[in-house]
Amino acid sequence: NAGVTQTPKFRILKIGQSMTLQCAQDMNHNYMYWYRQDPGMGLKLIYYSVGAGITDKGEVPNGYNVSRSTTEDFPLRLELAAPSQTSVYFCASIGGRNTEAFFGQGTRLTVV
Amino acid sequence: GDSVTQMEGPVTLSEEAFLTINCTYTATGYPSLFWYVQYPGEGLQLLLKATKADDKGSNKGFEATYRKETTSFHLEKGSVQVSDSAVYFCALYPGFQKLVFGTGTRLLVSP
Repeated sequence: NAGVTQTPKFRILKIGQSMTLQCAQDMNHNYMYWYRQDPGMGLKLIYYSVGAGITDKGEVPNGYNVSRSTTEDFPLRLELAAPSQTSVYFCASIGGRNTEAFFGQGTRLTVV
Repeated sequence: GDSVTQMEGPVTLSEEAFLTINCTYTATGYPSLFWYVQYPGEGLQLLLKATKADDKGSNKGFEATYRKETTSFHLEKGSVQVSDSAVYFCALYPGFQKLVFGTGTRLLVSP
């Protein structure tokens, strides 16, 4: 019963470095989401996907990229890390209208 | 577009007090509604949900009723505990594409 798995849990990046945050779900959910949560704030949608091969921008997509080559995986790429990207990142998936969204445990990213 | 509005926090209560956290929504159609809870340092967990008008979701003493006429889904608990201290998020899912969250309400319960 893995649900949504995010890796890594913690990461420190230097300005200008790149990294990929991994997200995988084993529930065969079509819809997947990436959110960021800044300290003391709510969730902001970065990107989402409604199925393999289909992605779309959310509220705050600048500085990020995503891909969805399989139903299970939805990685988030930071190409040139900036201090403004210091945040906690959550991946979520949802299977349909009457089902709940499942969240990963989050990745705490610090850019210095 | 679809949106969720939650009351500003923090909400500060003494143990055993009654809790209400207001949530109203704007949506086309008939979305499913959720309350999620986030304990310090953790991810979001589903607290309760309702999928159609007049449904009541309940869990761990918390309740919320899907009111289509007032477009509301207020969270209530009769007697809060210190362990209920967390951030509570109201959310809606219209059945396609985006899962929409409110800004979250922090609850602080003192002994």
